[in-house]
Amino acid sequence: GAGVSQSPSNKVTEKGKDVELRCDPISGHTALYWYRQSLGQGLEFLIYFQGNSAPDKSGLPSDRFSAERTGGSVSTLTIQRTQQEDSAVYLCASSPDRGLNYEQYFGPGTRLTVT
Amino acid sequence: TQLLEQSPQFLSIQEGENLTVYCNSSSVFSSLQWYRQEPGEGPVLLVTVVTGGEVKKLKRLTFQFGDARKDSSLHITAAQPGDTGLYLCAGDHTGGFKTIFGAGTRLFVKA
Repeated sequence: GAGVSQSPSNKVTEKGKDVELRCDPISGHTALYWYRQSLGQGLEFLIYFQGNSAPDKSGLPSDRFSAERTGGSVSTLTIQRTQQEDSAVYLCASSPDRGLNYEQYFGPGTRLTVT
Repeated sequence: TQLLEQSPQFLSIQEGENLTVYCNSSSVFSSLQWYRQEPGEGPVLLVTVVTGGEVKKLKRLTFQFGDARKDSSLHITAAQPGDTGLYLCAGDHTGGFKTIFGAGTRLFVKA
């Protein structure tokens, strides 16, 4: 079946511009996560959505970052007034349920470069 | 702060050698996962361990969860170039929403 998809795969933007990154989770998965991965590093948690509950935004690094999840499916991560330190790969993952099944299924990521 | 420390950070070995990668924390986890990530792709789940002392095998890979559920190891027997990648461990706490990821071990297996 279809996995998690993300678009665009690559994004180059000028410092100060806004960008939107999109994530299409696996159909039926109720949990959705956004992570940031700098070159050669591990994953930095950004935000988590579970069903209709209020999202866990505790990982967002600044108020320039925001995310939405419409209709419990597609999610958009928005970065306003981008800075060079925002350059990274942004990964989205979905999970069937928080129950005992914590496995996350990742998309290929969006590589963001801020010039 | 809940941290997962992975060691070594980088490992370069010859094909056929054995290796062990470690994942350690001062926190107790309800479950722990190992992922492998190849360049340009997202991490792919290898295994989930949930019981203290649990051992799981996946072909040449052996995963162990510590008795106290604070640490884990990944052992690869007779490594092959196809094992090259970034190995990430990740832990969850009961009732928690945020999965904690380690910084990863970058493995390079030379033919």
